[in-house]
Amino acid sequence: GENVEQHPSTLSVQEGDSAVIKCTYSDSASNYFPWYKQELGKGPQLIIDIRSNVGEKKDQRIAVTLNKTAKHFSLHITETQPEDSAVYFCAASSGSGTYKYIFGTGTRLKVLA
Amino acid sequence: NAGVTQTPKFRVLKTGQSMTLLCAQDMNHEYMYWYRQDPGMGLRLIHYSVGEGTTAKGEVPDGYNVSRLKKQNFLLGLESAAPSQTSVYFCASSYRGGGGGELFFGEGSRLTVL
Repeated sequence: GENVEQHPSTLSVQEGDSAVIKCTYSDSASNYFPWYKQELGKGPQLIIDIRSNVGEKKDQRIAVTLNKTAKHFSLHITETQPEDSAVYFCAASSGSGTYKYIFGTGTRLKVLA
Repeated sequence: NAGVTQTPKFRVLKTGQSMTLLCAQDMNHEYMYWYRQDPGMGLRLIHYSVGEGTTAKGEVPDGYNVSRLKKQNFLLGLESAAPSQTSVYFCASSYRGGGGGELFFGEGSRLTVL
């Protein structure tokens, strides 16, 4: 069935360094790939997304890249700050007649001051 | 701005008891979802609704029922709670369905079944 694998499960970086989280999806019909950030005790919140007709998207310190051939997409955070510490989830959706998002298992990012 | 509100935020049940989680959204969204979050397993879809009066099964629907009698409300029911249903439950809503609709999540309801 549809599956999204996410790595690593935990990631520690020094403040100011970059962080990269990778996801691989199985459904070739997937065409929308959002990333959600979940802070402690709160619900996930969308931080960036990308569609299958785009290879890269940037928003200030965060960027997402998509490789449709390899079926993987990645989240890049540059110049990390302590407030970037959170759990990050990737997701994939095919959109055509489906209302489901398949989520990855999450990455706990710790930014060390 | 309330967004998505879940009640209750915490609940402890004994095995076999029943309860209902309420989700309310004030954004006039058509689509509403119930997820459960367990350590190492991400967010798994329990049930969802594409509009008032409609419901559909997600990935892990067994042991749960839902109702969407009003557009703004989506109820998740446990008829006979089991320890395996100990989890954090999140409700979400979106203007569009999969393929481009941002999910707006509530703050979660932590359920413990003893």
